[in-house]
Amino acid sequence: AQSVAQPEDQVNVAEGNPLTVKCTYSVSGNPYLFWYVQYPNRGLQFLLKYITGDNLVKGSYGFEAEFNKSQTSFHLKKPSALVSDSALYFCAVRDSGTYKYIFGTGTRLKVLA
Amino acid sequence: DAGVIQSPRHEVTEMGQEVTLRCKPISGHNSLFWYRQTMMRGLELLIYFNNNVPIDDSGMPEDRFSAKMPNASFSTLKIQPSEPRDSAVYFCASSWDSGRGQYFGPGTRLTVT
Repeated sequence: AQSVAQPEDQVNVAEGNPLTVKCTYSVSGNPYLFWYVQYPNRGLQFLLKYITGDNLVKGSYGFEAEFNKSQTSFHLKKPSALVSDSALYFCAVRDSGTYKYIFGTGTRLKVLA
Repeated sequence: DAGVIQSPRHEVTEMGQEVTLRCKPISGHNSLFWYRQTMMRGLELLIYFNNNVPIDDSGMPEDRFSAKMPNASFSTLKIQPSEPRDSAVYFCASSWDSGRGQYFGPGTRLTVT
């Protein structure tokens, strides 16, 4: 069965430090992988995606993610965190054979000034 | 493009009343998704449509919930009769088949008293 796991409910990081939000997945076929961010009282906003090609994907607001097929992971990273990055982050996967997106449970990122 | 449009943004109703949530997807998108988000259960996929046809409604909680997509530019999610446990934020999202990611609306916050 298809699934996405975000093992951390919350990640705390100091402003200016690098951040990583973890995601692992399990799908049949080739995965389409996504990261979304949700600010309070807002809908989810698309950050970046991996479909094919370079394993390092760059997205909005300075975020990037690394696709690792052998570890079935797609961790979200940013070299220098900002307080304004504090939000809820969701990893999602779409099996290439379906239209359905599977979301992780979300990781709350808190960037401390 | 105006993005995905949802109405109303907030709805407060009494138990037993009928509630109808509305969604206008992004023009040209051919898949539409309804999600529910609560603190307890996170983000749940209720139903999704492709080319106006319901593909997977396995996430619909019970018969009180129904969804329609009469044309490519409009969808409704109806709850009849509503119950307090239906209180949540309901999101509509749309996408292309190509897997370029989903785009979420701002959500409808439903409160059933």
